[in-house]
Amino acid sequence: DAGITQSPRYKITETGRQVTLMCHQTWSHSYMFWYRQDLGHGLRLIYYSAAADITDKGEVPDGYVVSRSKTENFPLTLESATRSQTSVYFCATQDRGPYEQYFGPGTRLTVT
Amino acid sequence: DQQVKQNSPSLSVQEGRISILNCDYTNSMFDYFLWYKKYPAEGPTFLISISSIKDKNEDGRFTVFLNKSAKHLSLHIVPSQPGDSAVYFCAASPQTGANNLFFGTGTRLTVIP
Repeated sequence: DAGITQSPRYKITETGRQVTLMCHQTWSHSYMFWYRQDLGHGLRLIYYSAAADITDKGEVPDGYVVSRSKTENFPLTLESATRSQTSVYFCATQDRGPYEQYFGPGTRLTVT
Repeated sequence: DQQVKQNSPSLSVQEGRISILNCDYTNSMFDYFLWYKKYPAEGPTFLISISSIKDKNEDGRFTVFLNKSAKHLSLHIVPSQPGDSAVYFCAASPQTGANNLFFGTGTRLTVIP
C-alpha cells in the first residue's frame, strides 16, 4: 500500500507544451494539495482541494490548472509550460482537521 | 512576502550534541505549527507539531518550543545522530479555513559523526 504516489517522477518538456503531473492516494483523505519547491522559497502552495469537485487557489496558481473528479486523484496541468515552472512538485494529502499533511515523493520537472 | 522564516540555511552539529533549529513567523493568525524533515529525492515527512495553546511538545529526541509573544518556535534534537542529517522545514497554519500550510525556506542540518 503506497499511500500517496506521484507520476512521473522526472519529466523534461519544452516551453509551450502542456504537461500533466499525476497524484494518487489510497487513504481517502479529504484534502489534497499541490506544492512547488524552489531554492530560497521553501514549499509554496499552488492549488488545493477540500473534496471531489472542490478546488481553490493557493499562493502561486498562475499557469496551472487542477481538477478532482475522484477523491483519490488530483492531477496538476501546466497548460503552456514556461521555464519559470522548472521545479520540484509535491502532492500532499490531509485528513479533516488541523492534522499533519502527508507528502508524495515529488516530481522533478524541467522546462527547456 | 515570506510569512514563515528560517534564517539559518544550514547548521552543523557533532553527533551526540543538541541541534537547535529556529523559525520565526509574522502572521498572528497562525495557530498550529509543524516541523517536517526532508531527505534528498524524497517528499517531506512529518516530524512533530504544536498547537498555540501549548508552549512545548516532546516526542522522543525531538522537542518543539513555541513562544507566541515573540512569534518564534524552535526544534531541539537531543542527542543528534548522523541519520538526522536532512533539510528541516518549519510550517504554520491557521486552524480555520482549508488547513493551508505556509512553509519556511528550510535549514540543512548536518550531524558530524
